[in-house]
Amino acid sequence: GAGVSQSPSNKVTEKGKDVELRCDPISGHTALYWYRQRLGQGLEFLIYFQGNSAPDKSGLPSDRFSAERTGESVSTLTIQRTQQEDSAVYLCASDSWEDRAIQYFGAGTRLSVL
Amino acid sequence: AQKITQTQPGMFVQEKEAVTLDCTYDTSDQSYGLFWYKQPSSGEMIFLIYQGSYDEQNATEGRYSLNFQKARKSANLVISASQLGDSAMYFCAMRDAGNMLTFGGGTRLMVKP
Repeated sequence: GAGVSQSPSNKVTEKGKDVELRCDPISGHTALYWYRQRLGQGLEFLIYFQGNSAPDKSGLPSDRFSAERTGESVSTLTIQRTQQEDSAVYLCASDSWEDRAIQYFGAGTRLSVL
Repeated sequence: AQKITQTQPGMFVQEKEAVTLDCTYDTSDQSYGLFWYKQPSSGEMIFLIYQGSYDEQNATEGRYSLNFQKARKSANLVISASQLGDSAMYFCAMRDAGNMLTFGGGTRLMVKP
């Protein structure tokens, strides 16, 4: 079936503006994750949704970051009042315990804050 | 403390030869999973191989195998018969109690023709 889909693929914004990034997980995957990858670095965990449970927000770097997920479908990551240090690739992944909880990633959204 | 350590920032390998990418991890959990992902220049993260902490045999997936040494807390990736298309960043990652993945800093592999 279709993989994890993210949009937009690229986003350029001005400092101080709000941005919304979208993730559409693999159908049937109950868990959804957001990660951030700064240039030349590994991925940092941001937030995790599992079914209808309360999300694990322990990785969010500040209160400017928030995310929502409706049921087991689409998720949006919102960054308010963007700063230049928010420039990174934001990657979404989903998994299912029926498949060894292997996380499959989308192609990411490259965010550039000018 | 670093949970996942990849000590090789960059590696060269001759086409058709085998290469080992190192990964050590740190966890106090008994149940955990270890993963390797490939990230080509296009940026996508491609799942390669998985090893569960209770798996007695080393995982293999085609040309990829995972050399799992639990007592040493290492999970090295072995790529056999390297191809030019294997040139990419490789990330080792661990999932323990928190379900999210913790990633190492990556190793850039360059395959020479």
